[in-house]
Amino acid sequence: GQNIDQPTEMTATEGAIVQINCTYQTSGFNGLFWYQQHAGEAPTFLSYNVLDGLEEKGRFSSFLSRSKGYSYLLLKELQMKDSASYLCAVRGLGAGKSTFGDGTTLTVKP
Amino acid sequence: DAGVTQSPTHLIKTRGQQVTLRCSPISGHKSVSWYQQVLGQGPQFIFQYYEKEERGRGNFPDRFSARQFPNYSSELNVNALLLGDSALYLCASSLSWADNTGELFFGEGSRLTVL
Repeated sequence: GQNIDQPTEMTATEGAIVQINCTYQTSGFNGLFWYQQHAGEAPTFLSYNVLDGLEEKGRFSSFLSRSKGYSYLLLKELQMKDSASYLCAVRGLGAGKSTFGDGTTLTVKP
Repeated sequence: DAGVTQSPTHLIKTRGQQVTLRCSPISGHKSVSWYQQVLGQGPQFIFQYYEKEERGRGNFPDRFSARQFPNYSSELNVNALLLGDSALYLCASSLSWADNTGELFFGEGSRLTVL
């Protein structure tokens, strides 16, 4: 089975940096996703890590350590529009089968 | 280009009824997956279809079924609805079953309320 843990809520200030952690225990691992989901909307893809290390994409970076079952999403230069739920997900066998955590609700304050 | 489209966007049913939800993937995508998202939780995997064949099934009862058509669109059926089936049902498409880019493209979802 799969078990994914991430903090329920986080709060940060506009312009700051925030790190959202995710730990996982899986019977199989084919990569780790991060998705952003605004309230009432569909999740949108942020990043996909298969190998250990840091992947950077603009203001967003994602890190993976497979040996530790650990990932984090780093958001820099926070903007108000970054207030959303951030979902960590482990990819199973096949592109469409993923196990999601319950998400971290990030609130960005002025 | 159109993204993943789902219908209906909202619907209300009563316990015991049946519901059919529809999904059209992005043009060129051959894999469709269905997820259930209960308020305050992450999406939970229900089914994956690729080339009209079921390629994976999550931990859901037999009341849940799905199929994929030759044009790669898909339907999710839920019979004998329970109050606990109230959720946002998300459809996601990907290029292929073994797509190594990893990205899933989600539709806006069908919000089902069971009374």
